[in-house]
Amino acid sequence: GENVEQHPSTLSVQEGDSAVIKCTYSDSASNYFPWYKQELGKRPQLIIDIRSNVGEKKDQRIAVTLNKTAKHFSLHITETQPEDSAVYFCAAKRRGQGGKLIFGQGTELSVKP
Amino acid sequence: GAGVSQSPSNKVTEKGKDVELRCDPISGHTALYWYRQSLGQGLEFLIYFQGNSAPDKSGLPSDRFSAERTGGSVSTLTIQRTQQEDSAVYLCASSLRPPTTNEKLFFGSGTQLSVL
Repeated sequence: GENVEQHPSTLSVQEGDSAVIKCTYSDSASNYFPWYKQELGKRPQLIIDIRSNVGEKKDQRIAVTLNKTAKHFSLHITETQPEDSAVYFCAAKRRGQGGKLIFGQGTELSVKP
Repeated sequence: GAGVSQSPSNKVTEKGKDVELRCDPISGHTALYWYRQSLGQGLEFLIYFQGNSAPDKSGLPSDRFSAERTGGSVSTLTIQRTQQEDSAVYLCASSLRPPTTNEKLFFGSGTQLSVL
């Protein structure tokens, strides 16, 4: 089955700096890769996703890149703000009825003012 | 409803007792997941229901865990003979039926289970 590895487990940056979180996956049939953000005490929420027919996707300050050959994908946050502080989870699944969403272990991002 | 609803929000039980956790997904969502989140840990997959297909139970940690989904809507996760290591937040999530262009998961607020 699918296995998703996420690094680093914790990340601390200064406000305004960029943050990068990386994930690798094992199942070459996976073709959908979302990122979820979980603020303290709250439920996870989708912030961006990418499908395997696209190499990069951007939404304002966040972007995700995908390297299918190497089976890894990354989240990039630019111009970080204190409100970006949260736990971020990557995930992977086969798109369609048969696939289940498997999450990485999470990255706790701290943005220091 | 407005979102995924889980009950109870908190459950304290004694070791060896059985517990039932309930999830009411968003109306019209045919995919339903259960995940477990231990303190400071990731989202551990437990079970996945998709429409009328047989559920994917590959994440259930032991035969003490079981889940059902009646009428393609409400789901119940049952843990028998609870152990202290079962203490965690149990999260339910639902999404629209694939294949669609939108596979966003909507999470409930979770049930905090504490086994004494």
